[in-house]
Amino acid sequence: AQSVSQHNHHVILSEAASLELGCNYSYGGTVNLFWYVQYPGQHLQLLLKYFSGDPLVKGIKGFEAEFIKSKFSFNLRKPSVQWSDTAEYFCAVNAGNNNDMRFGAGTRLTVKP
Amino acid sequence: GAVVSQHPSRVICKSGTSVKIECRSLDFQATTMFWYRQFPKQSLMLMATSNEGSKATYEQGVEKDKFLINHASLTLSTLTVTSAHPEDSSFYICSARGRRPGYNEQFFGPGTRLTVL
Repeated sequence: AQSVSQHNHHVILSEAASLELGCNYSYGGTVNLFWYVQYPGQHLQLLLKYFSGDPLVKGIKGFEAEFIKSKFSFNLRKPSVQWSDTAEYFCAVNAGNNNDMRFGAGTRLTVKP
Repeated sequence: GAVVSQHPSRVICKSGTSVKIECRSLDFQATTMFWYRQFPKQSLMLMATSNEGSKATYEQGVEKDKFLINHASLTLSTLTVTSAHPEDSSFYICSARGRRPGYNEQFFGPGTRLTVL
C-alpha cells in the first residue's frame, strides 16, 4: 500500500529563513504529488501539484517542490519565509489510476516575526 | 472555479443522535467524492470513496453502518454519523473530483467540526 512520510513534525524558523520540508512516498508506479497548506482555523488549500513534465514545480505564494523519482521524494521549498506562512503543511500522493489520496502526517511550520 | 462547500460548518449533538453532513460541488460535476476525518493535530485519514450512483467504498476499520454515505447526484454527497458517540467527535472533510477541471485533483471542502456530548 502506498504511504507518505513527512519527516519534520514541527519546524520553527525566523522570517526570511529558507524552508525545506521533506516528503517521501512509497509507491512504485506512476504517482501524482501534492502539497497542501492548512492555515489555522481554515481548510486545506492546494499549494502545488506534480502530474508529469518538469520535476521542479512552482506553486502559489513563492513555494516550489522538486520531484526526484529516484529518491521517491517531493520536498517543498521556499527561499524566504514570512510570518504569514505559519501553518500546517501536508504532502499527499495519489497513484496514477487510483482514487486514493494518501496524506502525510503533516508538518507544522511556525515562523517567528 | 472548483469550489466545494460543506454544511454545517460546526455541529454539536447529544450522544446517541444522528448527524448529517452535506458536501456540495458548486461549479463542477463531482464524479467521485471522498470523506476524510482529521483528529486534532493529525493528518487526514480517508474514510470512504463514493462514486455517483453507486455504493461507497470504505477504508479498512471504518464502520459502514455507522458512517452512511450517499452520493445521489453529481453535486451532492452526504455523510450521516449514526448514533454518534463522543469518540466520533472530529473534523470531517470532504473532497470532490470531476472530469474537469482536473481529473486527478481533489478539491476540498472547508470541513465540519462535529462535537458529540
